[in-house]
Amino acid sequence: EVQLVESGGVLVQPGGSLTLSCAASGFSISLHSMNWVRQAPGKGLEWISYITTGGGTIYYADSVKGRFTISRDNAKNSLSLQMNSLRDEDTGVYFCVRALYGDFYFDLWGQGTLVTVSS
Amino acid sequence: EIVLTQSPATVSVSPGERVPLSCRASQSVNNYLAWYQQKPGQAPRLLIYDASNRATGIPDRFSGSGSGTDFTLTISRLEPEDVGAYYCQQRYTWPWTFGQGTKVEI
Repeated sequence: EVQLVESGGVLVQPGGSLTLSCAASGFSISLHSMNWVRQAPGKGLEWISYITTGGGTIYYADSVKGRFTISRDNAKNSLSLQMNSLRDEDTGVYFCVRALYGDFYFDLWGQGTLVTVSS
Repeated sequence: EIVLTQSPATVSVSPGERVPLSCRASQSVNNYLAWYQQKPGQAPRLLIYDASNRATGIPDRFSGSGSGTDFTLTISRLEPEDVGAYYCQQRYTWPWTFGQGTKVEI
């Protein structure tokens, strides 16, 4: 089955750090650009990071730039998001997302992992 | 940053009705716009890309139109399973942005 499975979401204090992981199965992520998209509780979607197939090009939303780091391990068919200096407003569900249709649109989503930043 | 404004915020319709959902961009995005559906408790699903192309497996009651700054997602005959939130997203320029969503209720 083609799927993405995120893990690593927990309750963390403001200022803390966390790493999210995404395991892909049923396809090779080496063929696709990948993304992280998040959703605050009861709110809309926010794209936060993008990485090309080989990792040579990376983009971040301004809201996370300098604090979050996206990376990939094509050999392990996995994607990661290192999150530092966490803030209350980083609370939400984090989705690992595959890009398709020219590597521009989000065609395959994981089920999401919940990150709660609170003291 | 390109701001996408969706309207209405919420729409209540009956099964079988035609439902147009609007997405307006703060500047031209050419036709580089997608639509997603998110049912309660689920991850989003890609419906339309490049403004008017249906993604694989999407029923033909979903159609997209528009270019530049004004776009419409139309559900030609609403089914009960179409209840949820709908989001537009542009990939014309970084950062990629989403609209705030339209909630479709029955």
